[in-house]
Amino acid sequence: DTAVSQTPKYLVTQMGNDKSIKCEQNLGHDTMYWYKQDSKKFLKIMFSYNNKELIINETVPNRFSPKSPDKAHLNLHINSLELGDSAVYFCASSQGGSIGGYTFGSGTRLTVV
Amino acid sequence: AQSVTQLGSHVSVSEGALVLLRCNYSSSVPPYLFWYVQYPNQGLQLLLKYTTGATLVKGINGFEAEFKKSETSFHLTKPSAHMSDAAEYFCAVRPSGTGTASKLTFGTGTRLQVTL
Repeated sequence: DTAVSQTPKYLVTQMGNDKSIKCEQNLGHDTMYWYKQDSKKFLKIMFSYNNKELIINETVPNRFSPKSPDKAHLNLHINSLELGDSAVYFCASSQGGSIGGYTFGSGTRLTVV
Repeated sequence: AQSVTQLGSHVSVSEGALVLLRCNYSSSVPPYLFWYVQYPNQGLQLLLKYTTGATLVKGINGFEAEFKKSETSFHLTKPSAHMSDAAEYFCAVRPSGTGTASKLTFGTGTRLQVTL
């Protein structure tokens, strides 16, 4: 039973389209994150939600809009996709207030053509 | 702001040789430190972490790391490399304490290659 699951695993789309990536965790964690990994493998945090409340919002274009319907789900919607958005997007979760690390999903490879 | 620096974007060792992956952190107070491994086309898996207490921490797959405050380092080691250890390794830091707004910041990664 996958702890943090993302869908889809691969996403190929044209410039200008709008797409969504979904994430669900069954660990009972109350905090979820989106990270972007670029072609050089660099990982950078984009957003974090704690109990459906946005708590971290890094410098990300407002074409990216996260949504958390409940604490087990965190979706990422991207409008007007650009070539530079091509990357692997990772969802992660943790228990806020704990001293542990994060549990990551297997990633969504987004390719914009 | 906290940060980590991983020296060497690519390390190559022979099977059976010692693995040493370097990580130095920058923080005004001792942070929490982590090592993650990423196998090709997979997500990140936690290898080990240092929060408080014993400075030598043991992780999965025979890896260990030692927190050295005086050197601001958290190097990852394994006595004997195995072919299956070939992967990308990330050092990460987050502020100590329990704030929900703290974030995990990653280094740039080190690709470990294991040769016969």
